[in-house]
Amino acid sequence: DIQMTQSPSSVSASVGDRVTITCRASQGISSWLAWYQQKPGKAPKLLIYTASSLQSGVPSRFSGSGSGTDFTLTISSLQPEDFATYYCQQANSFPWTFGQGTKVEIK
Amino acid sequence: QITLKESGPTLVKPTQTLTLTCTFSGFSLTTSGVGVGWIRQPPGKALEWLALIYWDDDKRYSPSLKSRLTITKDTSKNQVVLTMTNMDPMDTATYYCAHRPVAGTAFDYWGQGTLVTVSS
Repeated sequence: DIQMTQSPSSVSASVGDRVTITCRASQGISSWLAWYQQKPGKAPKLLIYTASSLQSGVPSRFSGSGSGTDFTLTISSLQPEDFATYYCQQANSFPWTFGQGTKVEIK
Repeated sequence: QITLKESGPTLVKPTQTLTLTCTFSGFSLTTSGVGVGWIRQPPGKALEWLALIYWDDDKRYSPSLKSRLTITKDTSKNQVVLTMTNMDPMDTATYYCAHRPVAGTAFDYWGQGTLVTVSS
């Protein structure tokens, strides 16, 4: 299985801050990476697919980059509704695997 | 508009078999390239991918759970069913089904999830 490691596990930030979350794959996955946002008690929401493609309806302050083994999710200006947990997921090979999550908390 | 909804028991006993149904609308599992997957999340923990079924009945499973999982589809009812045998308290989790779009490598629509507790 491909292991996905996110860092940091949690980050405290203020509204308006730029936040970057990193996801590293245990082997190369080309650009087959997605990012999800999950709020407490809710299902995950797709933000980014194929590493850098913004899902329809997702605000442009969210962006993704990377290829191979190293990827980033950036929130350019954190908004109150962005406080949540973020997961990366690889789809290069089965089983699809998720990272352990990064919780973005209010500073 | 695509919607999915999970249904099934909220409580099962250890060693029992869990059967979950995903009922969906807004797409067809006869459309080439489409898939429906199952993902679970133990309380306070990360997401875990379980299984995926494609329009052509190709099926993929998590290797660690493959011996216990079966995924099937009923296109006439717009349903996907996941069965998991020999349930254990460690299987306590919220179970989600989700839509994989044509040629997609992510899940773009998710059900609300259903919490399954395994306890005697």
